[in-house]
Amino acid sequence: NAGVTQTPKFQVLKTGQSMTLQCAQDMNHEYMSWYRQDPGMGLRLIHYSVGAGITDQGEVPNGYNVSRSTTEDFPLRLLSAAPSQTSVYFCASKGLQNTGELFFGEGSRLTVL
Amino acid sequence: AQRVTQPEKLLSVFKGAPVELKCNYSYSGSPELFWYVQYSRQRLQLLLRHISRESIKGFTADLNKGETSFHLKKPFAQEEDSAMYYCALLTGRRALTFGSGTRLQVQP
Repeated sequence: NAGVTQTPKFQVLKTGQSMTLQCAQDMNHEYMSWYRQDPGMGLRLIHYSVGAGITDQGEVPNGYNVSRSTTEDFPLRLLSAAPSQTSVYFCASKGLQNTGELFFGEGSRLTVL
Repeated sequence: AQRVTQPEKLLSVFKGAPVELKCNYSYSGSPELFWYVQYSRQRLQLLLRHISRESIKGFTADLNKGETSFHLKKPFAQEEDSAMYYCALLTGRRALTFGSGTRLQVQP
């Protein structure tokens, strides 16, 4: 199993550009989520999903969209990138019956100029 | 609202010294707490959870509901323990809320 796979690993954008961070998992996990990691602020939840067709907002959802058309994929879209979205983004998944063990991707480092 | 506080950004100790990484939480429900660790160039991973009351790599953590704390402890630090440690709280939405993290540096 590859686990949780994120692409791209690195990306540089200009302000106002759009892009999609891809996340895929092969563990048949119902729950998937996106976090951003910023120095001194830890990991903050952006959006999450408990199954295909179901998404919900986390702590910092503004500026990000998600969709969950399949169990395996959970892309994160930035419609108009801003410098404040410069961060490291992590996708994570778990089975719904599992109370707390999240499986993380390797992270995607995004810089917005 | 739920909150996880890790007051120390950096904790530096010498090899063989005891370690205590502090974590305090705020949550109106029954808390489920976890410690996650991120070693250099590795993925963030679960270290231990309070429900299982286990010891992993010599680390233990006890939930103290009176003090709303879940401190991570190890009696004798090793250099390979150097990493970023995050305390996390499971909320009613089944989402994990993380603290800001503590970087542990174990010096030789």
